[in-house]
Amino acid sequence: DAGVIQSPRHEVTEMGQEVTLRCKPISGHNSLFWYRQTMMRGLELLIYFNNNVPIDDSGMPEDRFSAKMPNASFSTLKIQPSEPRDSAVYFCASSLGGVRTTQETQYFGPGTRLLVL
Amino acid sequence: AQKVTQAQTEISVVEKEDVTLDCVYETRDTTYYLFWYKQPPSGELVFLIRRNSFDEQNEISGRYSWNFQKSTSSFNFTITASQVVDSAVYFCAFTGTSYDKVIFGPGTSLSVIP
Repeated sequence: DAGVIQSPRHEVTEMGQEVTLRCKPISGHNSLFWYRQTMMRGLELLIYFNNNVPIDDSGMPEDRFSAKMPNASFSTLKIQPSEPRDSAVYFCASSLGGVRTTQETQYFGPGTRLLVL
Repeated sequence: AQKVTQAQTEISVVEKEDVTLDCVYETRDTTYYLFWYKQPPSGELVFLIRRNSFDEQNEISGRYSWNFQKSTSSFNFTITASQVVDSAVYFCAFTGTSYDKVIFGPGTSLSVIP
């Protein structure tokens, strides 16, 4: 398997622009997670899906952030409008899920490095 | 409250030395899971190990070994005969039954000097 695939790997944009990050989970995995990593706050869970349904979005910073999972093989994280403080590495991870989704091992994608100027 | 502490922010060792990375967790759950991930300079997060709270056996995988001690709420990670390729940030993570998220520790940055 190719592992979790994320695109783009790098994104530089200007403040106010819309940014869309994409993720393809490992085939057969039914849980998908979006994380943000910064020096100040470390790794933060933004949102996660189980069977394409958002389960917990309490980590989403504010209304400017939205995430969708239209099918089992694709998810997007959108920031509109973007701000400089959104600059971070955004990771997508997937897992097999189960009774307790987060107890399964999460496999991470390579991340998207976002820089908002 | 659930919490993961990695008290060592940065460690530097000379190649071939053994090094232990500490991880201490706090929880009232009786069932929980612990993880270690490696983040090399290239940035990806690599899964190393998952351990549940009912399995206290130590684990060895090549030069890597893990010591799980419930009595001290610790899940320490030892690299034997370290190599330059071991240079990375290592994260300990935790999830319990009363909190449906994985909590990551702040990470320990390991530098192995040739």
